[in-house]
Amino acid sequence: DGGITQSPKYLFRKEGQNVTLSCEQNLNHDAMYWYRQDPGQGLRLIYYSQIVNDFQKGDIAEGYSVSREKKESFPLTVTSAQKNPTAFYLCASSRLSNQPQHFGDGTRLSIL
Amino acid sequence: GENVEQHPSTLSVQEGDSAVIKCTYSDSASNYFPWYKQELGKRPQLIIDIRSNVGEKKDQRIAVTLNKTAKHFSLHITETQPEDSAVYFCAASSNNAGNMLTFGGGTRLMVKP
Repeated sequence: DGGITQSPKYLFRKEGQNVTLSCEQNLNHDAMYWYRQDPGQGLRLIYYSQIVNDFQKGDIAEGYSVSREKKESFPLTVTSAQKNPTAFYLCASSRLSNQPQHFGDGTRLSIL
Repeated sequence: GENVEQHPSTLSVQEGDSAVIKCTYSDSASNYFPWYKQELGKRPQLIIDIRSNVGEKKDQRIAVTLNKTAKHFSLHITETQPEDSAVYFCAASSNNAGNMLTFGGGTRLMVKP
């Protein structure tokens, strides 16, 4: 969907480095989500936010952090505590929770 | 929490045949069931969804059925075409889980010309 923009498309992380993945939406959606997808597997929820200045941990939040200072933006930081960060990261948004989610194009993170 | 299982993990059909993918869920309070199609390296795209107040929904060659008693739902694709080849994911959400989606493991559908 053109309304959700993730950047960068590819990202490389060095040992001990924190990296931040950007997610911006212009759909005026209240809810935003971050998922991790490993090869040949489904999507696992990292964090979600249902409203500005509020967010909750998903199933695999350890080693990640987020912020939701603006409705349009939900950046994800992969910290050095995440020992296996190589994956495809997908951001999504929905008007409300339990409504259809629309995904961005994803960011592929690899380790140098 | 919710657990969603999806079968088969791979499915190969001849062009023009039908394809059926099945999912089961564990939380009887689940009430929203979307299906997503993901082409290689691309974003998942919603292709159809169903809520627990209906048993079936159709959109052209795609249909979804829901059996709340048995806690399973299925995606049916008729007259398959090569461009239907992709990975398909089912998902379920429940009020008990804050309405968050739990995804199945995916089905790789290959349609042979």
